[in-house]
Amino acid sequence: EVQLVESGGGLVQPGRSLRLSCAASGFTFDDYAMHWVRQAPGKGLEWVSGISWNSGRIGYADSVRGRFTISRDNAKNSLYLQMSSLRPEDTALYYCAKASEETVTTSLDFWGQGTLVTVSS
Amino acid sequence: QSVLTQPPSVSGAPGQRITISCTGSSSNIGAGYDVHWYQQLPGTAPKLLIFGNTNRPSGVPDRFSGSKSGTSASLAITGLQAEDEADYYCQSYDSSLSVEGIFGGGTKLTVL
Repeated sequence: EVQLVESGGGLVQPGRSLRLSCAASGFTFDDYAMHWVRQAPGKGLEWVSGISWNSGRIGYADSVRGRFTISRDNAKNSLYLQMSSLRPEDTALYYCAKASEETVTTSLDFWGQGTLVTVSS
Repeated sequence: QSVLTQPPSVSGAPGQRITISCTGSSSNIGAGYDVHWYQQLPGTAPKLLIFGNTNRPSGVPDRFSGSKSGTSASLAITGLQAEDEADYYCQSYDSSLSVEGIFGGGTKLTVL
């Protein structure tokens, strides 16, 4: 059974940093691209970032480019999102999602339950 | 404002057929990127409903179907049921600057 468990969320002040983690199990992690998607309270889904199976291809939304860094450790079956210079508008539930193939531009076939990030002073 | 445009809401009576549109442009759907659809029930994580424009994952009823033409795509639900009440999102990729994932703004389906 595929499982994605996010962690690392919490309350953080504007301008500070936070690192999210996603622990994956139930599939061969290094065979698939992975993504982060967020959802602000009461709002729709927003794609944040994606990374290919071997980290060779990485993409970011305009809203986070230059502030967020996605990475993965295939030996640890883990996905990460390093977030810096956080803004109140980054407040959201952050989902880790598995891609259906090794490349970034595919569907997201499994999702975690999310970790909540709140940026506020 | 989302790159992919969806109607904010649709509604239908049980047993009816509804469609949800997803309109993009030449740098995303029109560039050949596939469209995928997700269903999000209240308080839960999104679930993949349609992938590769027209394909259903195992376990998704055949009441759900997808199509794509030009710069647009559609999700159709036939034989509407109360449990279909949810938010629906289309998703694709855009290569206008660099390849980025994009979602539609979401459509709230109400079963009357």
